[in-house]
Amino acid sequence: NAGVTQTPKFRILKIGQSMTLQCTQDMNHNYMYWYRQDPGMGLKLIYYSVGAGITDKGEVPNGYNVSRSTTEDFPLRLELAAPSQTSVYFCASSYRQGRGKSNQPQHFGDGTRLSIL
Amino acid sequence: SQELEQSPQSLIVQEGKNLTINCTSSKTLYGLYWYKQKYGEGLIFLMMLQKGGEEKSHEKITAKLDEKKQQSSLHITASQPSHAGIYLCGAATTSGTYKYIFGTGTRLKVLA
Repeated sequence: NAGVTQTPKFRILKIGQSMTLQCTQDMNHNYMYWYRQDPGMGLKLIYYSVGAGITDKGEVPNGYNVSRSTTEDFPLRLELAAPSQTSVYFCASSYRQGRGKSNQPQHFGDGTRLSIL
Repeated sequence: SQELEQSPQSLIVQEGKNLTINCTSSKTLYGLYWYKQKYGEGLIFLMMLQKGGEEKSHEKITAKLDEKKQQSSLHITASQPSHAGIYLCGAATTSGTYKYIFGTGTRLKVLA
């Protein structure tokens, strides 16, 4: 019953450091997403993937990179951490629905709280 | 401007009181989702509404989607401290798309 699992839960980075946020899902969902949540700003889409080997940019992709080598895993990489990347990061996944049908809900991980000092 | 507007932004109620949270879009919605978030946790999926006029209930929480599929309300009856948290609405504005939009959330506090 794991669902979407994110690691780590918390992390403090220094400016200029790099790190990878891990995300894995066991629901065989084809769509996966990375969001950041800033206070009062709602969720902003960073990157998404419609299946293994396919990724694309969301609203706020600058400073991040992703890969999707398997259906289950969708890591998010920060190459040169900046204070503006201090945020809570959420990974989510969903089934893709065909056109004309309502989209299925996204299922979220517990988040990674990242501070960059 | 926010594509999905939630109101109110925050709410403090006495235990046992009823409350309503609204979620409004300027576009037709192809799926409207309600989530609850507690500090330190992710978004927990509550309910999904698809059809205009649809209404769903889970325990003391009822959600409705209006006929035009542009507004949803979440109603909590006889609130309890366990209902406290942040309620977010999410939606798809295009069918079969990756693109979901989210409201900024309504922070609910229930006083015992």
